[in-house]
Amino acid sequence: DSGVTQTPKHLITATGQRVTLRCSPRSGDLSVYWYQQSLDQGLQFLIQYYNGEERAKGNILERFSAQQFPDLHSELNLSSLELGDSALYFCASSGMPLLLAGTDTQYFGPGTRLTVL
Amino acid sequence: AQSVTQLDSHVSVSEGTPVLLRCNYSSSYSPSLFWYVQHPNKGLQLLLKYTSAATLVKGINGFEAEFKKSETSFHLTKPSAHMSDAAEYFCVVSRPMDSNYQLIWGAGTKLIIKP
Repeated sequence: DSGVTQTPKHLITATGQRVTLRCSPRSGDLSVYWYQQSLDQGLQFLIQYYNGEERAKGNILERFSAQQFPDLHSELNLSSLELGDSALYFCASSGMPLLLAGTDTQYFGPGTRLTVL
Repeated sequence: AQSVTQLDSHVSVSEGTPVLLRCNYSSSYSPSLFWYVQHPNKGLQLLLKYTSAATLVKGINGFEAEFKKSETSFHLTKPSAHMSDAAEYFCVVSRPMDSNYQLIWGAGTKLIIKP
């Protein structure tokens, strides 16, 4: 158990809808990362937050947004959903804002499986 | 630019035989490198990481990896495979981005263990 929790575990919705995925980081971790894992694209970094502020952006679509709240939990909002958004969405957390010369370990949650019908 | 290539999408070995998962990276400077493992229907877990200290890195579950700068490789090995090693393995390199670092993930290698 990594200490990172994600809800819900599974989500089934229709095209055009909007969903919110939730992540609670490990106790004491200030950074939260969101990833998308799909069969055709592999694991893609979406976005990073540190202590409430956006720190880095990856391949995140404009239809997607995220935020990190004062209690450090984070939410990933996916809107105008398309079939191709069906994927496993992972949240990870780490203890440092910068990856200490890239050496910091990320701890992953179990993921949310999103199915768009 | 930093990138990472996992040379095999699938590797199949018999239980009790050695495991070799290959990873090559490209980096314009001395990188940090990681191996993560993903068991079926589970999240990802760090196996080991190289951070410019010892070039031979030992990880969890008997895995180790050797950083070879001349070959730009960071192959993952284990002397004797166990059924519980069946999983997908990801080689990762970190790259600087603005005032931060980002992980660049390989495409993954599925390790299949034959009884």
